[in-house]
Amino acid sequence: AQSVTQPDIHITVSEGASLELRCNYSYGATPYLFWYVQSPGQGLQLLLKYFSGDTLVQGIKGFEAEFKRSQSSFNLRKPSVHWSDAAEYFCAVTPGGATNKLIFGTGTLLAVQP
Amino acid sequence: DTAVSQTPKYLVTQMGNDKSIKCEQNLGHDTMYWYKQDSKKFLKIMFSYNNKELIINETVPNRFSPKSPDKAHLNLHINSLELGDSAVYFCASSSRGMGNYGYTFGSGTRLTVV
Repeated sequence: AQSVTQPDIHITVSEGASLELRCNYSYGATPYLFWYVQSPGQGLQLLLKYFSGDTLVQGIKGFEAEFKRSQSSFNLRKPSVHWSDAAEYFCAVTPGGATNKLIFGTGTLLAVQP
Repeated sequence: DTAVSQTPKYLVTQMGNDKSIKCEQNLGHDTMYWYKQDSKKFLKIMFSYNNKELIINETVPNRFSPKSPDKAHLNLHINSLELGDSAVYFCASSSRGMGNYGYTFGSGTRLTVV
């Protein structure tokens, strides 16, 4: 069965510092991969997605993610974090197909220090 | 605006009551979903409908009954509410036919059972 692991439950970074959020997936083939962000009391907003092709994908709000097949990883990065980036970040995977069931990781809570 | 909209945004009710949450999307997507986010922020799929046909039914108590009158609407009815049903419920939609497996989420319904 497919699964997603986000090893870091909580991360704190200083404003202006770089950020990397880790995501590992378990799936036999190459799945479709996503990162979503959830601000407090809000819904989920899609940051970026990977289906195929270039393994470095660009998203909204200055985020990018790199798919590494050999490591089964899809880590999210941002070169300089802003205070407004404080939120919960979810990595998700779907095999697509008939059900297109989206499976989420447990999330990483990002805090940004001034 | 094009979106996935859910009503109500907040729902406070007593144990044993029956309640419904409504969801509508105007994105032209053919598949809709209900997800439950628990107090630890974990997101888990409950149901999925494709063109009014139920395609995913996870191990959800049969007190929960989804209804899809057309492919733009997916409602969730909950009978005999229990304290453990307190959570945030998210509706989402996607379109497999266009090769886009990403989901668009509604802003969520926070259900509190007292």
